[in-house]
Amino acid sequence: ILNVEQSPQSLHVQEGDSTNFTCSFPSSNFYALHWYRWETAKSPEALFVMTLNGDEKKKGRISATLNTKEGYSYLYIKGSQPEDSATYLCASPGSSASKIIFGSGTRLSIRP
Amino acid sequence: NAGVTQTPKFRVLKTGQSMTLLCAQDMNHEYMYWYRQDPGMGLRLIHYSVGEGTTAKGEVPDGYNVSRLKKQNFLLGLESAAPSQTSVYFCASSDGGVGANVLTFGAGSRLTVL
Repeated sequence: ILNVEQSPQSLHVQEGDSTNFTCSFPSSNFYALHWYRWETAKSPEALFVMTLNGDEKKKGRISATLNTKEGYSYLYIKGSQPEDSATYLCASPGSSASKIIFGSGTRLSIRP
Repeated sequence: NAGVTQTPKFRVLKTGQSMTLLCAQDMNHEYMYWYRQDPGMGLRLIHYSVGEGTTAKGEVPDGYNVSRLKKQNFLLGLESAAPSQTSVYFCASSDGGVGANVLTFGAGSRLTVL
């Protein structure tokens, strides 16, 4: 079973501060790395899918980087806003390219 | 566009009862997935399908069965419900492509087993 791990489990950040968190995954047989944003009482929504080592993706104030050789991805949020409060999930296919496994998530809370 | 639709949204069962959750997608996606959400554990993959007529086991398949008789539908069955199956179930679909296409999720189905 593929282990996708995220840290920290939860994070409390002051509004306006920037923050980042980590997703780690086995570096062998890498296919892709997904990031999702999951607000309470809603469904997860895709932020990024990254496939190439060194890939960087950006969407507004949120960006992500990928290191497939060492098996980690960082998600960055610049100038956190209250609407950024959510759980951020990463996911990766395992030994079967179609079997997409999620980490347990990082729960982000923004203090006004 | 409806996207991914799950029915029912809520259900309460007694231990030992059976039920089926239906997931329907109108995006002509090849791949479909069933996950369960448990506190502190994120989303855990139950079963998935890479095309009509195919199914495969995920991380936590025990106690569940699935069928994909039509490309647009993916059914999750509980033959004999147990309290440990109390959870929120999410269906998702994607275009496939060696895991490089994003998942589109349904709104979730909350199941309580008494």
